[in-house]
Parts: sequence; C-alpha cells; structure tokens
Amino acid sequence: DIQMTQSPSSLSASVGDRVTITCQASQDIINYLNWYQQKPGKAPKLLIYDASYLEAGVPSRFSGSGSGTHFTLTISGLQSEDFATYYCQQYDNFIFTFGPGTKVD
Amino acid sequence: QVTLRESGPALVKPTQTLTLTCTFSGFSLSTSGLCVTWIRQPPGKALEWLARIDWDDDKYYSTSLKTRLTISKDTSNNQVVLTMTNMDPVDTATYYCARITTVAGTPLVDYWGQGIVVTVSS
Repeated sequence: DIQMTQSPSSLSASVGDRVTITCQASQDIINYLNWYQQKPGKAPKLLIYDASYLEAGVPSRFSGSGSGTHFTLTISGLQSEDFATYYCQQYDNFIFTFGPGTKVD
Repeated sequence: QVTLRESGPALVKPTQTLTLTCTFSGFSLSTSGLCVTWIRQPPGKALEWLARIDWDDDKYYSTSLKTRLTISKDTSNNQVVLTMTNMDPVDTATYYCARITTVAGTPLVDYWGQGIVVTVSS
C-alpha cells in the first residue's frame, strides 16, 4: 500500500503568516492527492483536489502544488479560522490513504 | 441539500460485530459517479479510510482491514451499511460516512456525516 507522510506534525503560526505543509507519498501518485482541513469535533472539509485545484467556496489563500511523490499545501496569509489540522489523502487505484496530519496552532 | 447521518451502537464488546448504517438524502446512489465511503478517526489520531461502495455496486476496502469489513447499499432506502467483525478496543473511534463525487476520474469526498462515536469495551 502507498504510505503518506506529512511534515511538520505541528506548527505554531500567527495570523498573517505564510504557512507551508508538505506531504510525501511512498510511490508515484501522479497528482492523485487531496487536502482536507479538520477543526476539533468536526468532520473534515475538502480544500484542494488533484494536488492543485481549489474546491469551490474555499478561499484563494489556500493553494496546492506538487506531483509524483512530493506535495505542498500553502496558506498565504493565515486567518484565525485556519487554525486546524490538515490532512493529505491519496487515491491511487481506488484505495484511499490519509497522511498523519499537521496541526496548525 | 445533501446530508448523511451515521447510526449504530455507541458501545460494543470485544469480539462482537459492529453494524453501522449511513442514511443519506439529497442524492441517489444509483447516479453514475457517486459513491459512499466510511472513514474513522480514533481519539486524537489521524483519519483512516475503511471502505467505499460505488453507484455500480463496486466495493473497495482498506487492505489492512478488508478481512473484517463488509459494505453494502440499499439504494431504494438511501442507506449504506458497514459491518466490522471481531471488534477490539483499538477500534474505538469516531466513524464517519461520506459521499464521494467522481469528477473526471477524481474522487472527491465532498459531504460528510457528523460522525458516530463507537467505544469498544467489555
């Protein structure tokens, strides 16, 4: 199975900061990579799909990039509502795998 | 308006079988490109994908759990059922059902239920 890693596992940031989270796949997943945001006690929310496409309604300060095995989620100008945990998720061959998450506080 | 709601027992004993039902509205699982999936999250831990069933009744399971899982659908009643056998305390988690919309081959988990907390304890 494809394994996903994320770094860092947590980070401290302030409103207005530029935040970058990385996700690495154990093998080439082309661009089969989504990003989710989860707040405490809530279900996750889709932010980015196919590595770089913004889901409808998601603020443009969120962006994704990468292909193959290395991917990045960037928040340009962190807002107070962005403090949350972020997960990457790959979907190769109908099997999903989530990364371990990155907590932004 | 798309909604999903999980139901089932809050507490199961070790070795028992867990049966969870996802009841949804706002879409039909007979529509091409739509799927329902189950994902769980142990307390304080990461999301773990469990299973998925597609509009055409194709089914997919987590490699590590596939011997314990069965997913099925009742299209007429807008329900998807997940069973997990031989429950263990490590299976204690919030279990989510969610809709997948397949767009140009990309599966998007676009709507989630609120989750159901299942505790495994004797």
